[in-house]
Amino acid sequence: AQKITQTQPGMFVQEKEAVTLDCTYDTSDQSYGLFWYKQPSSGEMIFLIYQGSYDEQNATEGRYSLNFQKARKSANLVISASQLGDSAMYFCAMREAFPSSGSARQLTFGSGTQLTVLP
Amino acid sequence: DSGVTQTPKHLITATGQRVTLRCSPRSGDLSVYWYQQSLDQGLQFLIQYYNGEERAKGNILERFSAQQFPDLHSELNLSSLELGDSALYFCASSVEANQPQHFGDGTRLSIL
Repeated sequence: AQKITQTQPGMFVQEKEAVTLDCTYDTSDQSYGLFWYKQPSSGEMIFLIYQGSYDEQNATEGRYSLNFQKARKSANLVISASQLGDSAMYFCAMREAFPSSGSARQLTFGSGTQLTVLP
Repeated sequence: DSGVTQTPKHLITATGQRVTLRCSPRSGDLSVYWYQQSLDQGLQFLIQYYNGEERAKGNILERFSAQQFPDLHSELNLSSLELGDSALYFCASSVEANQPQHFGDGTRLSIL
């Protein structure tokens, strides 16, 4: 069974500073994918960044980067130069092994981290 | 805009009733997933369809059912509604296994 752990229920960061949101996972699969999603107070789920278990380089998307440490089973999200609009709930998620059938599989989500950016 | 369309955005109904939530995936995406987000359970996977066929089931109650139609849109049917079914229901879609799932804006269901 998969498990995603986000140990920080809430985080505060000053505007323009960087912040790291923690995520650890537990899986016996060798092939898996890790995702981060942002959920603003309006409720929608916004895809931010993806890391494959076999990717050698850490994923980056603009101000978002994923600090992937496979041996430690961690996939922390780093947001650089925080903006007020970054205030939201952030979810780490994992998808199980790439199936031979080719169809995608469901995500297992962590409990989320509420990030507040202070002016 | 994720390209995934969910209707309605809000739904208020009473216990014992039945509702249908609708989802149109992004153009070209064959997989549709349904998730439930509640305060006590967090985000939980309900069911997945791929090109019209059910592919995986998660924590979906027997009172709930879903289907994916030939045009790839999907419907989630919730019946005999209980207070505990109040939640935000998301639909997501993806084109293939190694691509991210993109979520719709959700349907907020309130049971009175």
